[in-house]
Amino acid sequence: EPEVTQTPSHQVTQMGQEVILRCVPISNHLYFYWYRQILGQKVEFLVSFYNNEISEKSEIFDDQFSVERPDGSNFTLKIRSTKLEDSAMYFCASTGREETYGYTFGSGTRLTVV
Amino acid sequence: AQSVTQLGSHVSVSEGALVLLRCNYSSSVPPYLFWYVQYPNQGLQLLLKYTSAATLVKGINGFEAEFKKSETSFHLTKPSAHMSDAAEYFCAVTTNTGRRALTFGSGTRLQVQP
Repeated sequence: EPEVTQTPSHQVTQMGQEVILRCVPISNHLYFYWYRQILGQKVEFLVSFYNNEISEKSEIFDDQFSVERPDGSNFTLKIRSTKLEDSAMYFCASTGREETYGYTFGSGTRLTVV
Repeated sequence: AQSVTQLGSHVSVSEGALVLLRCNYSSSVPPYLFWYVQYPNQGLQLLLKYTSAATLVKGINGFEAEFKKSETSFHLTKPSAHMSDAAEYFCAVTTNTGRRALTFGSGTRLQVQP
């Protein structure tokens, strides 16, 4: 079964530092997403990416966030200057041509900002 | 805009008993509905999805859900709970117009008592 792979699984960073979270979506998928889940809360949509550009973003996805697909396989989420409240589990997901027919999620990166 | 309400943040059942996790949705256009399961410290695994075909959807691990348009519901059921079903369950909605990213409910933590 194809998987979405996320690295690292855990990251601890100091407040104000930049972090890059990495994802390798399923190879023939076309739509890519980042979601986050603050501990004990619901999963929240951050951003979707299609055809090498952002197709949709939530109000959470402000100027400190950016996404990139630097090559044919990786999809990254950069947080420029981390804050304590950025501590969360970050999930990458991807879907195929029929984007509403199934989202495959990665196992997540737990980001802790200290 | 679409939304999901999961009634009951915690549900406890005995092993062998019926599992019923409730999900109600709001959407101005026909929805696509999903149930995901999250085991401790793991990612989101798709249990089942409704994408406008059969209203009774069967998923993995013996779970099923029925789409009821008149009740705007998509409740998840399993006839007989197993200890391994203990996890967090999330209902999610999207559509093929407007925002296509998943909107999640707050989740229901299922406990299974021996």
